[in-house]
Amino acid sequence: GIQVEQSPPDLILQEGANSTLRCNFSDSVNNLQWFHQNPWGQLINLFYIPSGTKQNGRLSATTVATERYSLLYISSSQTTDSGVYFCAVELGGTGRRALTFGSGTRLQVQP
Amino acid sequence: GAVVSQHPSWVICKSGTSVKIECRSLDFQATTMFWYRQFPKQSLMLMATSNEGSKATYEQGVEKDKFLINHASLTLSTLTVTSAHPEDSSFYICGGGGYNTGELFFGEGSRLTVL
Repeated sequence: GIQVEQSPPDLILQEGANSTLRCNFSDSVNNLQWFHQNPWGQLINLFYIPSGTKQNGRLSATTVATERYSLLYISSSQTTDSGVYFCAVELGGTGRRALTFGSGTRLQVQP
Repeated sequence: GAVVSQHPSWVICKSGTSVKIECRSLDFQATTMFWYRQFPKQSLMLMATSNEGSKATYEQGVEKDKFLINHASLTLSTLTVTSAHPEDSSFYICGGGGYNTGELFFGEGSRLTVL
């Protein structure tokens, strides 16, 4: 099956710092989404970004489908940004809409 | 975006009992819902695909007799953990989405503890 790798696995930042999270995937995809999992386990949709660049406030994401990677940028980080960030992809060409999740990046923002 | 609601959020049960988790699509018709399981500090693993009006499709290694899935309407899918054991303790989360976009949305999740 498709492989989804995220880096770094863990990240500690001081409040106000910027960071870049990376997601590499092994095959062509129909869909790529970024999620933030909060301490209660809820998955918050950040971006639906199979290709191109999107921005939402302090967050932005870029997916280069031809090179099979996506980046999530967090600027001016806040303590509320802490949690686990998942990249998830839908394998292309199968008609299946299920997402395969990466292993996640655990982010801790310290005050 | 689409809204998915899951219930209960927390459940504690005794070993050997069965537990039902409900997943509802509140503002879209879900012909397909996806059930995932997440163990502590791990990623989300797809367990099964729930199909409205037909049998669920289970991932390799997932026991279909233990994890019963019913999807009898376009707004409700249920996962029943039968004869639960402590090793079934986990976080279960469902997701789905409308077909006008490819984006999937997830419920709040259900944390199961089997004593």
